[in-house]
Amino acid sequence: ELKVEQNPLFLSMQEGKNYTIYCNYSTTSDRLYWYRQDPGKSLESLFVLLSNGAVKQEGRLMASLDTKARLSTLHITAAVHDLSATYFCAVDNSNQFYFGTGTSLTVIP
Amino acid sequence: DGGITQSPKYLFRKEGQNVTLSCEQNLNHDAMYWYRQDPGQGLRLIYYSQIVNDFQKGDIAEGYSVSREKKESFPLTVTSAQKNPTAFYLCASNSIIGYNEQFFGPGTRLTVL
Repeated sequence: ELKVEQNPLFLSMQEGKNYTIYCNYSTTSDRLYWYRQDPGKSLESLFVLLSNGAVKQEGRLMASLDTKARLSTLHITAAVHDLSATYFCAVDNSNQFYFGTGTSLTVIP
Repeated sequence: DGGITQSPKYLFRKEGQNVTLSCEQNLNHDAMYWYRQDPGQGLRLIYYSQIVNDFQKGDIAEGYSVSREKKESFPLTVTSAQKNPTAFYLCASNSIIGYNEQFFGPGTRLTVL
């Protein structure tokens, strides 16, 4: 069974600080996805990473993929309160998607 | 506007009742999925379908049933056999050509009374 692990599960960080969320997965896959979920809401797509070495950036968030290490990172730069949410990574294998447990991020003033 | 709609937004079920959650998409996607999310948890796959009139069980299919009679529609029935159905249900879809980014509907929150 394909496993996707994220860490940390909970992250409380001060505004202005940097931090990285890690996503490890247990089988080969060239495609990895990052989503954001606000409380009580659905999932919103953030990044689609399609190959080894892929890097995508949007605002204060940057995602990267190392398929050899089976690792993706989501880096947060100079955090602001609006980034408070739960972040999920997901891997697809033959059109079946496997989600990490999520990282609940709280940005405090 | 292309997207995925789910209805109802909130649903209350009495014990022993079957209820059906609706999911419709106008993105022309072939594949559709149902996930269950419990509070503070990740997503667990219930059922998925890659083509009309065909679907496969996910990790937690017991107590649920689906149909895929039209490409646009993938309703989920929560049967009385599902002992703990209170959860947030998310429908998703994606194209099976090219990269497979999943798009999600707004979700249905089901509560058993």
